[in-house]
Amino acid sequence: DAKTTQPPSMDCAEGRAANLPCNHSTISGNEYVYWYRQIHSQGPQYIIHGLKNNETNEMASLIITEDRKSSTLILPHATLRDTAVYYCIVTLNTGNQFYFGTGTSLTVIP
Amino acid sequence: DGGITQSPKYLFRKEGQNVTLSCEQNLNHDAMYWYRQDPGQGLRLIYYSQIVNDFQKGDIAEGYSVSREKKESFPLTVTSAQKNPTAFYLCASTRWGAANEKLFFGSGTQLSVL
Repeated sequence: DAKTTQPPSMDCAEGRAANLPCNHSTISGNEYVYWYRQIHSQGPQYIIHGLKNNETNEMASLIITEDRKSSTLILPHATLRDTAVYYCIVTLNTGNQFYFGTGTSLTVIP
Repeated sequence: DGGITQSPKYLFRKEGQNVTLSCEQNLNHDAMYWYRQDPGQGLRLIYYSQIVNDFQKGDIAEGYSVSREKKESFPLTVTSAQKNPTAFYLCASTRWGAANEKLFFGSGTQLSVL
């Protein structure tokens, strides 16, 4: 599975959009990009995933660059409850391991 | 509601003692996983199981054992050979080998040494 690189921490003002970047320059053609988040002392929560096209659901949007070497998770209107660690993962399918790095610790500031 | 149940939420282990963490899922998933998380760190894979009566070691299996006698259950035993067991343990499940699928996680068990 491709490795990912994320900034260790970010701040975002409440009500503003939070844009979390992820670099996955070694991603292969069939690997999906997944995003999870983990609030302290809870299990990770699935947010969104995609292959090539941009995706949007009720929680977030996922923007994948045309060359697929990087992506951005967008939380359109961040709230205090979005404060969490966000993990970007790339994997072929569930027959492969989901490698969780240290992620990005997002703090939403009132 | 479908989901993954981990118990207990908090567990204390005495020196030299084996303890077992429970993980049950009612999602009819083939695959189940155990991860360990240390403070400020990501998740590391301990063991995983694709089907009943079969399981494989992950990256940090030493000092741990598992069983998979039923599809819905995947208990983890932390043995006395695990010298640094204090950590947050997470169980997950999914359909095995499927693209476009996602992992579902339990709420975790915090294990501490007395």
